[in-house]
Amino acid sequence: QLQLQESGPGLVKPSETLSLTCTVSGGSISGTSYYWGWIRQPPGKGLEWIGSIYYSGTTYYNASLKSRVTIAVDMSKKQFSLKLNSVTAADTAVYYCARDQSGYSFDYWGQGTLVTVSS
Amino acid sequence: EIVLTQSPGTLSLSPGERATLSCRASQSINRNYVAWFQQSPGQAPRLLIYGASSRATGIPDRFSGSGSGTDFTLTIGRLEPEDFTVYYCQQYGNSYTFGQGTKLE
Repeated sequence: QLQLQESGPGLVKPSETLSLTCTVSGGSISGTSYYWGWIRQPPGKGLEWIGSIYYSGTTYYNASLKSRVTIAVDMSKKQFSLKLNSVTAADTAVYYCARDQSGYSFDYWGQGTLVTVSS
Repeated sequence: EIVLTQSPGTLSLSPGERATLSCRASQSINRNYVAWFQQSPGQAPRLLIYGASSRATGIPDRFSGSGSGTDFTLTIGRLEPEDFTVYYCQQYGNSYTFGQGTKLE
């Protein structure tokens, strides 16, 4: 059974960089039909797609966040990562990683990790 | 950006009743690439429907999706107690956007 697990600091200071890693287990990260994505959810609010990456390294970002986001993949560790720079309180959210199967949308999700931006 | 508007914001029903949730897009969705997710409190979203009408693996057949173009519907045939939670529609035909959610209470 495919599993995804987010990891990273739960507290980030304003203006600094939020960094998270998603570790994939129980399946391949290099399948040709799969992208790997990050989605976030501010407390009590809805879902926002941040960006996705293909195992080759091709990335797609939400236009509203593109200037601050970098997503990378490390196939040897079966991990992909998210960096969001210049964070503010508005970036406080639960961050989810998920598998994006072509034609199927996000079919496997991590449990999510809360990141709070505060000094 | 494609905007998805879900209605109603809150739907009040009883177990055993039928629920109809709506999702309207600001423009036509390529290949009817619309998904529906269920999210229980403190949990990650769970994929219910993809491609507007296909049930994801392990999803009970009381959940069904329909629609095309700009108007899509999630129907829950006979509500079970565990169905009373929040539902999101999402389009993935042109980048990705989510609706604001419908709470089923």
